[in-house]
Amino acid sequence: AQSVAQPEDQVNVAEGNPLTVKCTYSVSGNPYLFWYVQYPNRGLQFLLKYITGDNLVKGSYGFEAEFNKSQTSFHLKKPSALVSDSALYFCAVSASGGSYIPTFGRGTSLIVHP
Amino acid sequence: NAGVTQTPKFQVLKTGQSMTLQCAQDMNHNSMYWYRQDPGMGLRLIYYSASEGTTDKGEVPNGYNVSRLNKREFSLRLESAAPSQTSVYFCASSETGYGNTIYFGEGSWLTVV
Repeated sequence: AQSVAQPEDQVNVAEGNPLTVKCTYSVSGNPYLFWYVQYPNRGLQFLLKYITGDNLVKGSYGFEAEFNKSQTSFHLKKPSALVSDSALYFCAVSASGGSYIPTFGRGTSLIVHP
Repeated sequence: NAGVTQTPKFQVLKTGQSMTLQCAQDMNHNSMYWYRQDPGMGLRLIYYSASEGTTDKGEVPNGYNVSRLNKREFSLRLESAAPSQTSVYFCASSETGYGNTIYFGEGSWLTVV
Protein backbone atom coordinates (compact mmCIF):
# COMPACT_ATOMS: atom_id res chain seq x y z
CA ALA A 1 0.00 0.00 0.00
CA GLN A 2 1.13 3.55 -0.62
CA SER A 3 0.47 6.44 1.71
CA VAL A 4 1.54 10.02 2.15
CA ALA A 5 1.43 12.31 5.16
CA GLN A 6 1.47 16.07 5.38
CA PRO A 7 2.00 16.62 9.09
CA GLU A 8 1.06 20.30 9.14
CA ASP A 9 -2.46 21.49 8.36
CA GLN A 10 -1.19 25.06 8.10
CA VAL A 11 2.15 26.77 7.66
CA ASN A 12 2.60 30.47 8.34
CA VAL A 13 5.57 32.41 7.01
CA ALA A 14 6.46 36.06 6.53
CA GLU A 15 6.95 37.39 3.04
CA GLY A 16 10.58 37.21 2.03
CA ASN A 17 11.39 34.36 4.41
CA PRO A 18 12.13 30.82 3.25
CA LEU A 19 9.27 28.35 3.37
CA THR A 20 9.06 24.60 3.81
CA VAL A 21 5.99 22.41 3.43
CA LYS A 22 6.59 18.90 4.70
CA CYS A 23 5.69 15.58 3.13
CA THR A 24 6.58 12.04 4.13
CA TYR A 25 5.59 8.88 2.35
CA SER A 26 5.37 5.13 2.77
CA VAL A 27 5.66 2.78 -0.22
CA SER A 28 7.00 -0.66 -1.02
CA GLY A 29 8.68 0.01 -4.35
CA ASN A 30 10.43 2.94 -5.99
CA PRO A 31 8.49 6.13 -5.30
CA TYR A 32 7.16 8.69 -7.72
CA LEU A 33 6.47 11.93 -5.85
CA PHE A 34 4.47 14.99 -6.82
CA TRP A 35 3.58 18.42 -5.51
CA TYR A 36 0.45 20.27 -6.58
CA VAL A 37 -0.90 23.71 -5.63
CA GLN A 38 -4.52 24.77 -5.38
CA TYR A 39 -5.55 28.40 -5.33
CA PRO A 40 -8.98 29.31 -3.93
CA ASN A 41 -11.87 28.02 -6.00
CA ARG A 42 -9.54 26.51 -8.61
CA GLY A 43 -8.36 23.08 -9.65
CA LEU A 44 -5.02 21.58 -8.68
CA GLN A 45 -1.99 22.70 -10.65
CA PHE A 46 1.16 20.63 -11.05
CA LEU A 47 4.29 22.12 -9.47
CA LEU A 48 7.00 19.46 -9.74
CA LYS A 49 7.72 15.77 -9.51
CA TYR A 50 10.49 13.31 -8.67
CA ILE A 51 10.82 10.27 -10.88
CA THR A 52 14.50 9.34 -10.68
CA GLY A 53 17.92 10.98 -10.75
CA ASP A 54 18.87 14.18 -8.99
CA ASN A 55 17.37 14.37 -5.51
CA LEU A 56 16.74 18.11 -5.84
CA VAL A 57 13.87 18.83 -8.16
CA LYS A 58 13.09 22.32 -9.42
CA GLY A 59 9.59 23.29 -10.44
CA SER A 60 7.27 26.15 -11.27
CA TYR A 61 7.16 29.54 -9.55
CA GLY A 62 10.58 29.11 -7.91
CA PHE A 63 9.61 26.04 -5.88
CA GLU A 64 11.90 23.08 -5.36
CA ALA A 65 11.71 19.82 -3.44
CA GLU A 66 14.31 17.44 -2.10
CA PHE A 67 13.86 13.70 -2.27
CA ASN A 68 15.33 12.01 0.80
CA LYS A 69 15.11 8.25 0.54
CA SER A 70 16.46 7.49 4.02
CA GLN A 71 13.93 9.78 5.68
CA THR A 72 11.18 8.94 3.15
CA SER A 73 10.51 12.63 2.73
CA PHE A 74 9.86 15.03 -0.13
CA HIS A 75 9.63 18.50 1.40
CA LEU A 76 8.64 21.48 -0.73
CA LYS A 77 10.79 24.58 -0.38
CA LYS A 78 11.15 28.11 -1.66
CA PRO A 79 13.96 30.50 -0.71
CA SER A 80 11.80 33.62 -0.48
CA ALA A 81 8.04 33.45 0.01
CA LEU A 82 5.56 35.74 -1.73
CA VAL A 83 2.08 36.67 -0.53
CA SER A 84 0.83 35.22 -3.81
CA ASP A 85 2.21 31.80 -2.77
CA SER A 86 -0.62 31.55 -0.23
CA ALA A 87 -2.58 28.47 -1.29
CA LEU A 88 -3.28 24.83 -0.48
CA TYR A 89 -0.44 22.44 -1.28
CA PHE A 90 -0.81 18.73 -1.90
CA CYS A 91 1.86 16.05 -1.90
CA ALA A 92 1.15 12.79 -3.78
CA VAL A 93 2.94 9.46 -4.19
CA SER A 94 2.76 6.37 -6.31
CA ALA A 95 5.26 3.51 -6.44
CA SER A 96 6.41 0.75 -8.72
CA GLY A 97 4.65 -2.48 -7.92
CA GLY A 98 1.54 -0.69 -6.70
CA SER A 99 -1.12 1.44 -8.34
CA TYR A 100 0.15 3.94 -10.89
CA ILE A 101 -2.46 6.37 -9.58
CA PRO A 102 -0.93 8.70 -6.98
CA THR A 103 -2.32 8.84 -3.48
CA PHE A 104 -2.78 12.42 -2.29
CA GLY A 105 -2.09 13.86 1.12
CA ARG A 106 -4.68 15.90 2.98
CA GLY A 107 -3.08 19.17 2.00
CA THR A 108 -1.25 21.96 3.80
CA SER A 109 -2.53 25.51 3.81
CA LEU A 110 0.32 27.95 3.29
CA ILE A 111 -0.27 31.47 4.50
CA VAL A 112 2.32 34.10 3.64
CA HIS A 113 1.97 37.27 5.70
CA PRO A 114 2.95 40.66 4.23
CA ASN B 1 -5.34 24.82 -24.90
CA ALA B 2 -8.42 23.91 -22.83
CA GLY B 3 -6.94 20.88 -20.98
CA VAL B 4 -9.64 19.33 -18.79
CA THR B 5 -13.10 20.89 -18.97
CA GLN B 6 -15.90 19.95 -16.60
CA THR B 7 -19.50 21.10 -16.30
CA PRO B 8 -21.47 22.36 -14.52
CA LYS B 9 -19.40 24.64 -12.31
CA PHE B 10 -22.10 24.91 -9.65
CA GLN B 11 -25.19 22.83 -8.94
CA VAL B 12 -27.74 22.59 -6.15
CA LEU B 13 -29.72 19.36 -5.93
CA LYS B 14 -32.50 18.17 -3.72
CA THR B 15 -32.05 14.86 -1.90
CA GLY B 16 -33.00 12.02 -4.20
CA GLN B 17 -32.48 13.90 -7.44
CA SER B 18 -30.08 12.65 -10.06
CA MET B 19 -27.49 14.48 -12.09
CA THR B 20 -24.48 13.92 -14.32
CA LEU B 21 -21.20 15.75 -14.21
CA GLN B 22 -19.56 15.98 -17.60
CA CYS B 23 -15.83 15.99 -18.29
CA ALA B 24 -13.75 16.20 -21.43
CA GLN B 25 -10.01 16.39 -22.06
CA ASP B 26 -8.17 17.41 -25.20
CA MET B 27 -4.72 16.02 -24.34
CA ASN B 28 -5.30 12.55 -25.82
CA HIS B 29 -4.77 10.95 -22.41
CA ASN B 30 -5.71 7.36 -21.80
CA SER B 31 -6.49 7.69 -18.09
CA MET B 32 -9.25 9.79 -16.62
CA TYR B 33 -10.34 10.24 -13.01
CA TRP B 34 -13.05 11.61 -10.78
CA TYR B 35 -12.10 12.90 -7.33
CA ARG B 36 -14.02 14.55 -4.55
CA GLN B 37 -12.52 17.10 -2.19
CA ASP B 38 -13.85 17.64 1.29
CA PRO B 39 -12.40 19.85 4.05
CA GLY B 40 -9.73 18.00 6.01
CA MET B 41 -10.04 14.90 3.81
CA GLY B 42 -7.86 15.89 0.91
CA LEU B 43 -8.62 14.37 -2.47
CA ARG B 44 -10.34 11.01 -2.64
CA LEU B 45 -10.60 8.98 -5.81
CA ILE B 46 -14.16 8.00 -6.74
CA TYR B 47 -13.67 6.17 -10.04
CA TYR B 48 -11.07 6.02 -12.74
CA SER B 49 -10.71 4.79 -16.28
CA ALA B 50 -7.32 3.51 -17.44
CA SER B 51 -8.36 3.39 -21.06
CA GLU B 52 -11.37 3.83 -23.28
CA GLY B 53 -13.91 1.14 -22.49
CA THR B 54 -12.72 0.40 -18.94
CA THR B 55 -13.71 1.82 -15.56
CA ASP B 56 -12.68 0.88 -12.02
CA LYS B 57 -13.67 1.81 -8.51
CA GLY B 58 -11.53 4.08 -6.43
CA GLU B 59 -11.57 4.75 -2.72
CA VAL B 60 -15.15 6.08 -2.39
CA PRO B 61 -17.34 4.73 -5.24
CA ASN B 62 -20.61 4.18 -3.36
CA GLY B 63 -23.48 6.29 -4.68
CA TYR B 64 -21.78 7.05 -8.00
CA ASN B 65 -21.60 5.62 -11.49
CA VAL B 66 -19.32 6.55 -14.36
CA SER B 67 -19.23 6.24 -18.11
CA ARG B 68 -16.17 6.47 -20.33
CA LEU B 69 -18.05 7.64 -23.41
CA ASN B 70 -14.94 7.78 -25.62
CA LYS B 71 -11.29 8.64 -25.17
CA ARG B 72 -12.08 12.31 -24.50
CA GLU B 73 -15.10 12.10 -22.22
CA PHE B 74 -15.69 10.65 -18.75
CA SER B 75 -18.93 11.39 -16.93
CA LEU B 76 -19.92 10.96 -13.28
CA ARG B 77 -23.53 10.25 -12.35
CA LEU B 78 -25.27 10.59 -9.02
CA GLU B 79 -28.39 8.44 -9.27
CA SER B 80 -30.04 9.53 -6.00
CA ALA B 81 -28.19 12.42 -4.43
CA ALA B 82 -27.63 12.51 -0.67
CA PRO B 83 -26.44 15.38 1.55
CA SER B 84 -23.22 13.41 2.15
CA GLN B 85 -22.41 13.93 -1.51
CA THR B 86 -22.14 17.67 -1.04
CA SER B 87 -18.59 18.28 -2.15
CA VAL B 88 -16.29 19.70 -4.77
CA TYR B 89 -15.73 17.29 -7.63
CA PHE B 90 -12.67 17.28 -9.84
CA CYS B 91 -12.16 15.52 -13.12
CA ALA B 92 -8.58 14.81 -14.16
CA SER B 93 -6.59 13.04 -16.82
CA SER B 94 -3.10 11.67 -17.45
CA GLU B 95 -1.19 9.20 -19.51
CA THR B 96 -1.52 5.71 -18.06
CA GLY B 97 1.54 4.55 -16.15
CA TYR B 98 3.90 5.47 -13.34
CA GLY B 99 5.19 8.98 -12.86
CA ASN B 100 2.83 10.72 -15.25
CA THR B 101 1.49 14.13 -14.32
CA ILE B 102 -2.22 14.35 -13.61
CA TYR B 103 -4.02 17.40 -15.01
CA PHE B 104 -7.11 18.67 -13.23
CA GLY B 105 -10.24 20.49 -14.26
CA GLU B 106 -11.46 23.59 -12.44
CA GLY B 107 -13.95 21.75 -10.25
CA SER B 108 -17.71 21.39 -9.83
CA TRP B 109 -19.29 22.62 -6.61
CA LEU B 110 -22.26 20.41 -5.73
CA THR B 111 -24.66 21.06 -2.86
CA VAL B 112 -27.34 18.52 -1.94
CA VAL B 113 -30.10 19.90 0.28
